[in-house]
Amino acid sequence: DTAVSQTPKYLVTQMGNDKSIKCEQNLGHDTMYWYKQDSKKFLKIMFSYNNKELIINETVPNRFSPKSPDKAHLNLHINSLELGDSAVYFCASSQMGQVNSPLHFGNGTRLTVT
Amino acid sequence: GESVGLHLPTLSVQEGDNSIINCAYSNSASDYFIWYKQESGKGPQFIIDIRSNMDKRQGQRVTVLLNKTVKHLSLQIAATQPGDSAVYFCAEPSVGGGKLIFGQGTELSVKP
Repeated sequence: DTAVSQTPKYLVTQMGNDKSIKCEQNLGHDTMYWYKQDSKKFLKIMFSYNNKELIINETVPNRFSPKSPDKAHLNLHINSLELGDSAVYFCASSQMGQVNSPLHFGNGTRLTVT
Repeated sequence: GESVGLHLPTLSVQEGDNSIINCAYSNSASDYFIWYKQESGKGPQFIIDIRSNMDKRQGQRVTVLLNKTVKHLSLQIAATQPGDSAVYFCAEPSVGGGKLIFGQGTELSVKP
């Protein structure tokens, strides 16, 4: 299936721990994103990578470090997790420069920090 | 600043009725708008989009209307079905492009 897939789907961890979320897309897109969705369903962009290069960093704490080993993968590493990091994190991809190229989202990773 | 907002956070309709979900935007220079549907436990899914040179665009059971004068767009769902129950988001590219700005979201509940 062509899709954006992210793992794990659920992540429960304690404050202070370090965790990673992985994302892969097989749509051939050149741009990938991380969005954070809070408890009120508000979606906010965190990062965007185009061909492995960071192009958007939305004033996210530097505890969050995205890594793109190739244009089909964008992982998110979070250090020293805090309670406020609890949210659903969505990976997405699109083709930059293509007029009608909407975002394709993964099914999210629900992070719970206790 | 940029914002895409929705008038109603929740909407409850009877199965078979038509649904209308509204969205206001603030950037008068926006030329492209997208509606997404997010079902429980899933990521947002593209439904339909519209460019600013159009007032109306129809899909399968969905219609998007754009009123540039009052910076308002709406998503109309005909003959709403239980499978339409979801959170619906409008979105627009940011000023300068590069990212999508999402509205608050409207939760649609369909009563059998």
